[in-house]
Amino acid sequence: GAGVSQTPSNKVTEKGKYVELRCDPISGHTALYWYRQSLGQGPEFLIYFQGTGAADDSGLPNDRFFAVRPEGSVSTLKIQRTERGDSAVYLCASSTDRAFGELFFGEGSRLTVL
Amino acid sequence: TQLLEQSPQFLSIQEGENLTVYCNSSSVFSSLQWYRQEPGEGPVLLVTVVTGGEVKKLKRLTFQFGDARKDSSLHITAAQPGDTGLYLCMGAQKLVFGQGTRLTINP
Repeated sequence: GAGVSQTPSNKVTEKGKYVELRCDPISGHTALYWYRQSLGQGPEFLIYFQGTGAADDSGLPNDRFFAVRPEGSVSTLKIQRTERGDSAVYLCASSTDRAFGELFFGEGSRLTVL
Repeated sequence: TQLLEQSPQFLSIQEGENLTVYCNSSSVFSSLQWYRQEPGEGPVLLVTVVTGGEVKKLKRLTFQFGDARKDSSLHITAAQPGDTGLYLCMGAQKLVFGQGTRLTINP
């Protein structure tokens, strides 16, 4: 597809379970970003990849959160031992480069932890 | 503490009215971006402002970047129901968003 694709669109899980969220960026975009958005709030930065490497992971809230982008394209956000406070919409975006670049967002993955 | 403070948080006005929303920070940004987000979708870029004092117009929307590059405003003339949405500013170099202004235009 032409846009950023995120799967699943909805995920319901139980407290303590492991979750993976996938992001397929726009072809050719070298930069990829993960954000988390709670209801009524702006997106909260989690991590930014340039190619395969995490250029800035300062937004990851704790060591239960981890993200990879092994081939510089698809990225997976992994959450271990989920907590109810992890419930949010997880947004992925990609861009052609870092400086002043337009971020193209997917529709997000809504995570609900019961 | 939010790096970017947006005000007001909520705004509900009638179709045809004018409005201004603000994005303020104590930090200097090399550029600021404005996005609009509709329910169930990701944010979509409206504009990027780069130069202090810069004014950009996009049809009925006017964006201004403060001279000191710490603040920005978005002015909408003759608002229409299609302008309804969450307006977000983002400091590009820090990848940080404000909390947004939720705008509702009533027919």
